[in-house]
Amino acid sequence: EADIYQTPRYLVIGTGKKITLECSQTMGHDKMYWYQQDPGMELHLIHYSYGVNSTEKGDLSSESTVSRIRTEHFPLTLESARPSHTSQYLCASRTDRANEKLFFGSGTQLSVL
Amino acid sequence: QKEVEQNSGPLSVPEGAIASLNCTYSDRGSQSFFWYRQYSGKSPELIMSIYSNGDKEDGRFTAQLNKASQYVSLLIRDSQPSDSATYLCAGFNTGNQFYFGTGTSLTVIP
Repeated sequence: EADIYQTPRYLVIGTGKKITLECSQTMGHDKMYWYQQDPGMELHLIHYSYGVNSTEKGDLSSESTVSRIRTEHFPLTLESARPSHTSQYLCASRTDRANEKLFFGSGTQLSVL
Repeated sequence: QKEVEQNSGPLSVPEGAIASLNCTYSDRGSQSFFWYRQYSGKSPELIMSIYSNGDKEDGRFTAQLNKASQYVSLLIRDSQPSDSATYLCAGFNTGNQFYFGTGTSLTVIP
């Protein structure tokens, strides 16, 4: 069983608010990822990190930022939330070894009013 | 061209039947492939991984890989209503990135 945790599980906020979605893993994984997924739609990679102080943007520009100050922690921040940010946000991690599996957290369902 | 193509379904099978899910991939250098199950409103859960040509069996699940045809499949034997979910095919490409298909929705009818 993967030990990767996301909080909050659900979040409803108003437009213009700054929010941070938390993701932590206790497996010592170097590689961490944030995906965005709308209902019934595919996963879109928005950010990833290959280690401490390493962050990259993915395929989807979501107007969010990430940081990786500690191996186990990879928070995602939206500076000014908009209704278009309403979605499910999934955090994932894996080791640096070849062929290693990707494990997902339970996700954060964000609704921006 | 998407890196992974899956038939979005929906696929419906009666309880006890074999469900067959398929995907094709474009990166010929990809070495690793995975099947994830995702229930509505939940996160993807890894159910199978396969790295070599041929079949890999785990309980009621069998993954099949054909690198020459760039084809990956998942067979679910003795399908149960609890297998009703979306199944995501995923690969690991030569750019060191995971990529996912759009998923196939499976409904097992009691």
